[in-house]
Amino acid sequence: GQQVMQIPQYQHVQEGEDFTTYCNSSTTLSNIQWYKQRPGGHPVFLIQLVKSGEVKKQKRLTFQFGEAKKNSSLHITATQTTDVGTYFCAGPFMDSNYQLIWGAGTKLIIKP
Amino acid sequence: NAGVTQTPKFQVLKTGQSMTLQCAQDMNHEYMSWYRQDPGMGLRLIHYSVGAGITDQGEVPNGYNVSRSTTEDFPLRLLSAAPSQTSVYFCASSYLRRQGNYEQYFGPGTRLTVT
Repeated sequence: GQQVMQIPQYQHVQEGEDFTTYCNSSTTLSNIQWYKQRPGGHPVFLIQLVKSGEVKKQKRLTFQFGEAKKNSSLHITATQTTDVGTYFCAGPFMDSNYQLIWGAGTKLIIKP
Repeated sequence: NAGVTQTPKFQVLKTGQSMTLQCAQDMNHEYMSWYRQDPGMGLRLIHYSVGAGITDQGEVPNGYNVSRSTTEDFPLRLLSAAPSQTSVYFCASSYLRRQGNYEQYFGPGTRLTVT
């Protein structure tokens, strides 16, 4: 069945280092969304990418959608403690406009 | 605007008990959905609705019922709780666009433990 794989599962960084999470779909996606979930919180929408090869930036966050629309990445430059949390990607199910399939998330941990 | 609200925040049930998780939104969103989140996994869709009177099954619907009598409310009913239903439950809502793409607004979640 359709799958969305997200790696790595965890990433430990020193504050100030960069962070990247990768999302790979088994099928072509019409779009991909990214969410952030703080510890103990709920997912919060960050961005949606729609076009092949699209790159969008939000301050220190850079989002990319692959040319084949099967992969995506989120890169954070110079991490801060406020970036701690789990980052999820999500894309539409093949046969439904109304269902999202989610990656398992990448947890960003800042080393003390 | 309160956004998406969920009650209760925490619940402990015994195996076989039934209960209803409440979800309400005040943003006039057509689309509402229920997810469960288990450790190390992404969110899995249980049921969803594209408008009042319309519901459909998601990825993991067994053991759960929903109804949507109004635009605002979308309760999730556990019919006979099982330990496998121990999870965090999130309700989400969104507008519907022509292509079906949407950003979802999530409630704070209900942490359910079934013993």
